[in-house]
Amino acid sequence: AQSVAQPEDQVNVAEGNPLTVKCTYSVSGNPYLFWYVQYPNRGLQFLLKYITGDNLVKGSYGFEAEFNKSQTSFHLKKPSALVSDSALYFCAVSEAYNTDKLIFGTGTRLQVFP
Amino acid sequence: EAGVAQSPRYKIIEKRQSVAFWCNPISGHATLYWYQQILGQGPKLLIQFQNNGVVDDSQLPKDRFSAERLKGVDSTLKIQPAKLEDSAVYLCASSLKGGTGWVGNEKLFFGSGTQLSVL
Repeated sequence: AQSVAQPEDQVNVAEGNPLTVKCTYSVSGNPYLFWYVQYPNRGLQFLLKYITGDNLVKGSYGFEAEFNKSQTSFHLKKPSALVSDSALYFCAVSEAYNTDKLIFGTGTRLQVFP
Repeated sequence: EAGVAQSPRYKIIEKRQSVAFWCNPISGHATLYWYQQILGQGPKLLIQFQNNGVVDDSQLPKDRFSAERLKGVDSTLKIQPAKLEDSAVYLCASSLKGGTGWVGNEKLFFGSGTQLSVL
């Protein structure tokens, strides 16, 4: 069965510094990988996805993610964090034969300090 | 473009009572999803509709949960009777999958959710 792990409950970073939010996955076939962000009292918003091709995926708000097949990871990154990036981030995976069925991780709370 | 609409925003009920949630997806989105997000966990898919048909309800507790999308547009999720462990945020999402303009691997658009507290 497919699964996603987000090993950090919370990540703290100073504004202007680079940030990384970690995600590892487990699927039986080729993975489809996603990042979603949840702001307070708002629904989840799509950030980016990896389906195939270039291992570095660029998404919304300056975020990017790197797919690493050998490490089964899909870490979310941003070169320079903003206070407004503070939110709850979810990694999700689906299998190629059923791209609708997303399995979400438990989420990582990103706190960016001024 | 209007987003996914959900109501009510909050609901507090006692255990064994009934509750219903409503969702109106983005216009033209053929596929609608209901997710349950328990505090501290990621969203879990309860049921997926494409138009007015059920695609996947394998994780829906059918002894107490039911959902319908009779006209292939808006949807209602019901819990009867509610248990304490049903306390969660219920998220509705929609996507273009199966509809006009779908090109595959479409992202999901989520509503703000209904926060349910069962006392």
